[in-house]
Amino acid sequence: SQQGEEDPQALSIQEGENATMNCSYKTSINNLQWYRQNSGRGLVHLILIRSNEREKHSGRLRVTLDTSKKSSSLLITASRAADTASYFCAIERGAQKLVFGQGTRLTINP
Amino acid sequence: GAGVSQSPRYKVAKRGQDVALRCDPISGHVSLFWYQQALGQGPEFLTYFQNEAQLDKSGLPSDRFFAERPEGSVSTLKIQRTQQEDSAVYLCASSFDAETQYFGPGTRLLVL
Repeated sequence: SQQGEEDPQALSIQEGENATMNCSYKTSINNLQWYRQNSGRGLVHLILIRSNEREKHSGRLRVTLDTSKKSSSLLITASRAADTASYFCAIERGAQKLVFGQGTRLTINP
Repeated sequence: GAGVSQSPRYKVAKRGQDVALRCDPISGHVSLFWYQQALGQGPEFLTYFQNEAQLDKSGLPSDRFFAERPEGSVSTLKIQRTQQEDSAVYLCASSFDAETQYFGPGTRLLVL
C-alpha cells in the first residue's frame, strides 16, 4: 500500500505561473524525496529533504517539510511547458526502499 | 556516463507464459531496486539488492515473482505463469549512496 498522498491529483496552470503540490504521509521518515515522471518514461530524482531539514531549494524548485504535520510541499516557480509531467513524493523510512504516493499530474498550458 | 537501462522496453505475453525482465544498473552502483507501477499509480516496491544479496523481497506479490543479481551487477526479474493483473510497468533503479535512486525507463508488460 502507498503511504504518501499527493494533493491535488491533477493541476493545470498557465506557463509562467507557480505550481504547488503537497504530500502527506503517516509514519516517521528518514527523508522525503520528490521525483518527476514524463509520460512513458522513468522517474527523475528532483530533490531530497532530510527529516531534520525544513526547506530546500534547487533552481526553480522549493521543497518544504513539516514533520509535525507529516507533510511536504513542492513549489515550482515560473513554470515552463517542459515541466508538464507527473510528480511523486516518496518517503524513505529506513532499509532504503521508497514508498511513493499516487502522484500529481501537472499540465502547463502555453 | 550511461544511465540505468532495461530490456525489453515492451513485452506482450500470453496468460500463463513466463517472462524475464533485465536491468543493467549504473556501473559501480551497489544497490538495485525493482518497482511495479500500475497505470495511473505511483511505483510500488518489489525487492532490493545490495551487491548480489537480496536484502528485502517483501514487496514481491506472489511466489511467481523471482529476482536475482548473481554477480552483483545485472539483475533479472522473472515472472512465472503470468496473469492479467501482472500487467504494469516494471521499473529498475540503482543507487550508490543508499539515498538517491536513479531509475531506468521501465519495461511495459502487457499480459493478454
